[in-house]
Amino acid sequence: DTGVSQDPRHKITKRGQNVTFRCDPISEHNRLYWYRQTLGQGPEFLTYFQNEAQLEKSRLLSDRFSAERPKGSFSTLEIQRTEQGDSAMYLCASTVAQGDSYGYTFGSGTRLTVV
Amino acid sequence: SQQGEEDPQALSIQEGENATMNCSYKTSINNLQWYRQNSGRGLVHLILIRSNEREKHSGRLRVTLDTSKKSSSLLITASRAADTASYFCAPVVNTGNQFYFGTGTSLTVIP
Repeated sequence: DTGVSQDPRHKITKRGQNVTFRCDPISEHNRLYWYRQTLGQGPEFLTYFQNEAQLEKSRLLSDRFSAERPKGSFSTLEIQRTEQGDSAMYLCASTVAQGDSYGYTFGSGTRLTVV
Repeated sequence: SQQGEEDPQALSIQEGENATMNCSYKTSINNLQWYRQNSGRGLVHLILIRSNEREKHSGRLRVTLDTSKKSSSLLITASRAADTASYFCAPVVNTGNQFYFGTGTSLTVIP
């Protein structure tokens, strides 16, 4: 297990299409996070899971966005009816949410371009 | 707000010089973390300092934390061109919870 994996690395889609991204966290990490980052900005929190439970969703996560983490392992983030404003880097991170403090491990991200 | 705010927004130094960047936050924290992001890549965890610690070292990195001022600093000594990246701080209120990033400090190290 070499880290957090995200797939695909790049996605170009036409406006109005649906897209789905996948994140595979470090296997022993029980918390998984999704962030979105646009050029020149810091990552913005979208949502996070503890095991399979989605514990919090940001107001940024409109009803066109849905995230799942079936069985508490990998997670998917789906964007329906994509808009040009959805173009961004989507980052996934994971950590252990108990015991002493741990850093968060990020994946390399999925860059979405909506044309 | 739980967001960390980094200062300065941009910093340009010569290779071999030290780089200092600062972070301010507004809430009580459990720990504060620093991350580096190379252009177009994910974030890499650099160092974590707990709320009961005042200073921590890791290689060429030195982090300080002043909880009374709600501020932290990251010092990179003897900088290298490979240190060119954006640096973000993340104040963590509760272990394992989400955190909120600022816009980061963009560091350029000139060879």
